[in-house]
Amino acid sequence: DIQMTQSPSSLSASVGDRVTITCQASQDISNHLNWYQQKSGKAPKLLIYDGSNLETGVPSRFSGSGFGTHFTFTISSLQPEDIATYYCQQYDDLFTFGPGTKVDIK
Amino acid sequence: EVHLLESGGGLVQPGGSLRLSCAASGFTFTDFAMTWVRQAPGKGLEWVSAISYSGGNTYYADSVKGRFTISRDNSQNTLYLQMNSLTAEDTAIYYCAKDLYVGSTRGSFDYWGQGTLVTVSS
Repeated sequence: DIQMTQSPSSLSASVGDRVTITCQASQDISNHLNWYQQKSGKAPKLLIYDGSNLETGVPSRFSGSGFGTHFTFTISSLQPEDIATYYCQQYDDLFTFGPGTKVDIK
Repeated sequence: EVHLLESGGGLVQPGGSLRLSCAASGFTFTDFAMTWVRQAPGKGLEWVSAISYSGGNTYYADSVKGRFTISRDNSQNTLYLQMNSLTAEDTAIYYCAKDLYVGSTRGSFDYWGQGTLVTVSS
C-alpha cells in the first residue's frame, strides 16, 4: 500500500503570505497526485489534479508541482477564504489521502 | 449542474447493516466511475470503495473488504454502498464522489455530495 505524508500538519500565516505544503509518497507515483480543499463542515473540493493541473474555476493563486515521491502545493497569496484543511491524494495504486494540513490566518 | 445526493445514513448497532444511496444528476452517469470516501468525526479523509462506469470493476480499501459492497444502477443514476458487520470504527460521514475523467476509474474526484452520517453505536 502507498502511504502519504504531509507537512506541516498545521500552519498559521498572514493574508498575502505565500504558503507551501509538501506531500510525500512512500513510493514513486509519477504525477498521479491531486490536491483537495475542505472547509469546515463542507465536502472536499478538487483544486489540482495530475500533480499540477488547475481544476476549472479554481483561482490561479493555487498551484501544484512535483513528480515521483515529492510534491508541493502552493498558495501564492493567502486569502481569508483559503482557511481550510488541504489534502493530497494519490491514485497510482488505488487511492490514498494524506493526513491533511490545516491552514489558518495569523 | 452536477448534483450528488447521499441518503441512508443513520444510527445502527454494532454488527448491523446499512445501505447508502447516492442519487446523481446533471451529467451522464453511465460515463463516469464513482467512489465512496468517508471521514470519521474530527479525522481525515479515507477512500472506501470505487466502481467503474459500467459497474464491471469494483475496488475496496482493506478496512472494508469483505464487509462492504459497492454497486450502481445506471438506469436509475444511483450509486449504492451496502455495509455489513459494522463496527464503531465505521462511524463517519460518507461522501459519494464522481471521477473527473470519462470512462476511467482514474481517481480524481471532481464533484462530491454533501455526505451522510453513519453512526455505529449500541
